Amino acid sequence: EIVLTQSPGTLSLSPGDRATLSCRASQSVSTSYLAWYQQKPGQAPRLLIYGASTRATGIPDRFSGSGSGTDFALTISRLEPEDFALYYCQQYQQYGTSLTFGGGTKVEIK
Amino acid sequence: QVQLQESGPGLVKPSQTLSLSCSVSGASMRGDDYWGWIRQPPGKGLEWIGYSYYSGSTSYSPSLRGRVSISVDRSKKQFSLRLTSVTAADTAIYYCVNSGWPYYFDYWGLGTLVTVSS
Repeated sequence: EIVLTQSPGTLSLSPGDRATLSCRASQSVSTSYLAWYQQKPGQAPRLLIYGASTRATGIPDRFSGSGSGTDFALTISRLEPEDFALYYCQQYQQYGTSLTFGGGTKVEIK
Repeated sequence: QVQLQESGPGLVKPSQTLSLSCSVSGASMRGDDYWGWIRQPPGKGLEWIGYSYYSGSTSYSPSLRGRVSISVDRSKKQFSLRLTSVTAADTAIYYCVNSGWPYYFDYWGLGTLVTVSS
């Protein structure tokens, strides 16, 4: 099973700052199979990015995904007040069909 | 726009079976979609449980295989989760999810909290 490690655990930033969240995999992950979600308190997660870099429907272009192999990143170019939330990366492994999430990164207001 | 709504008991006794349903609106359920479940223990991260493909094939988390089953009833426009022999470790918010691909999940229900306790 592929383990995803997200860092940092918490990111303390101000509105307008740039945020870079890291997701490292224990084995290589196909870029087609890497996704990012945002979760706010009391809400279900929302798909932000799939295929490592494709924004989901309705996601603002300040969110971007990048990376390949074992290292992936989610970047928020300029933080808006509504962006302070928890973020999870997720991978899918076709052979043996397994799907795992990272432990999450909390983006909080500094 | 697909909308999903979980329903089922909020309290289950240890060793018993957890059963949840997910009602689907905004989709015919006749396409080649994936219908699945993800859970989240209170204050913790997300865990994939499994999904059912439109063909009837299923895929489950290795850690839950043997205790879990997911079934789809298109005539009722709903799908279900059964998890047997539950323990306190199964206490979580359970989300039903949908996607056209097995790689990620576009649509999520609001989630329902299930507590395992005597």
